[in-house]
Amino acid sequence: LAKTTQPISMDSYEGQEVNITCSHNNIATNDYITWYQQFPSQGPRFIIQGYKTKVTNEVASLFIPADRKSSTLSLPRVSLSDTAVYYCLVGDEGTGRRALTFGSGTRLQVQP
Amino acid sequence: AAGVIQSPRHLIKEKRETATLKCYPIPRHDTVYWYQQGPGQDPQFLISFYEKMQSDKGSIPDRFSAQQFSDYHSELNMSSLELGDSALYFCASSLVTGEGRSYNEQFFGPGTRLTVL
Repeated sequence: LAKTTQPISMDSYEGQEVNITCSHNNIATNDYITWYQQFPSQGPRFIIQGYKTKVTNEVASLFIPADRKSSTLSLPRVSLSDTAVYYCLVGDEGTGRRALTFGSGTRLQVQP
Repeated sequence: AAGVIQSPRHLIKEKRETATLKCYPIPRHDTVYWYQQGPGQDPQFLISFYEKMQSDKGSIPDRFSAQQFSDYHSELNMSSLELGDSALYFCASSLVTGEGRSYNEQFFGPGTRLTVL
């Protein structure tokens, strides 16, 4: 799996847009980019996945530049409940049942 | 919607004892994964099963074993427990259907918090 680098922590205020960037310089052609969210003492939760350009769902947007060496998770108008750890994962689609490799995520703290 | 069920939610054991954690995947999901998350650590993959056969193996100690049963539930057996085994143990399940399904979407259970004294 491609190694990822993301900020250790970020702070924001309620109502702001938060962008978390993940670097993955060694991303392979078959690799997808996936983001998970984890609240304290809970299991990680899938947020969004993309391969290239932009993906948007009801929770977040994922921006992927043409070279795919980085990606940005965008959370619009965060609230206190968005305080969590966000993990960027990059992996191939080879088997479809590959285990997730969690690196060091980004701890987002949202202040009132 | 049905979610992944884990039991027990909390477990306290003494050193050198054994523990069994259970996981009930989302109905019709064909793959089960086990992860360990120590205090302040990121989740680490232990082992996975696909259609009741071991699919992949991660950093699972030899003292641990796991299996998936005919009803698709899975159990993680841990023997000779050590203080360092104290952690949250998550089970996740997934269904890979091919088109239109996020490959990496695993659904995690609430976890079992194991404390070894």
